Amino acid sequence: GQQVMQIPQYQHVQEGEDFTTYCNSSTTLSNIQWYKQRPGGHPVFLIQLVKSGEVKKQKRLTFQFGEAKKNSSLHITATQTTDVGTYFCAGLFGGANNLFFGTGTRLTVIP
Amino acid sequence: SQTIHQWPATLVQPVGSPLSLECTVEGTSNPNLYWYRQAAGRGLQLLFYSVGIGQISSEVPQNLSASRPQDRQFILSSKKLLLSDSGFYLCAWREYYTGELFFGEGSRLTVL
Repeated sequence: GQQVMQIPQYQHVQEGEDFTTYCNSSTTLSNIQWYKQRPGGHPVFLIQLVKSGEVKKQKRLTFQFGEAKKNSSLHITATQTTDVGTYFCAGLFGGANNLFFGTGTRLTVIP
Repeated sequence: SQTIHQWPATLVQPVGSPLSLECTVEGTSNPNLYWYRQAAGRGLQLLFYSVGIGQISSEVPQNLSASRPQDRQFILSSKKLLLSDSGFYLCAWREYYTGELFFGEGSRLTVL
């Protein structure tokens, strides 16, 4: 079946350290989206990647889509306490109406 | 602008009782609507999606059902709740051009 795997499940970092979460799919994705969920909140859209090898930046966040469109990563430079939350990738497979979410990476930032 | 409302926000129900969660969207027509469930500390599991009135697709066999009686209304139901139905239920609609999902605030269900 169609699945999107995401690692790590948890990550604790000291404030100021970098953070990366990775997503992988066994089949080619049409596009991939990233969401952030603050503790107790609902997921909020961050970005969508569509093109093979695409790289997008939002301030300290860098998003990459693999050349084969089967993997993606989110990298945060110099984490801050406001970065705390769970980061989800969500992949869209060709012809599908649905996004398949990864299991998420829960980020804890230690001040 | 588009908004999505979901209620109730929190509920505690006994095993075997019925369930009804409601979601409405404003500011858009004929949206694709979704119900997700998130178990504690887990990812998002797609339960149902709908591309139009009366059109429901189920992703996983389960104790729940969904209905879309109006264009911008999506309801999640159960006739008899199980303990395993506990979780955080999220309604979402998908923006047609960008594909972005907009989530409601969520409904936290505890089955005792």
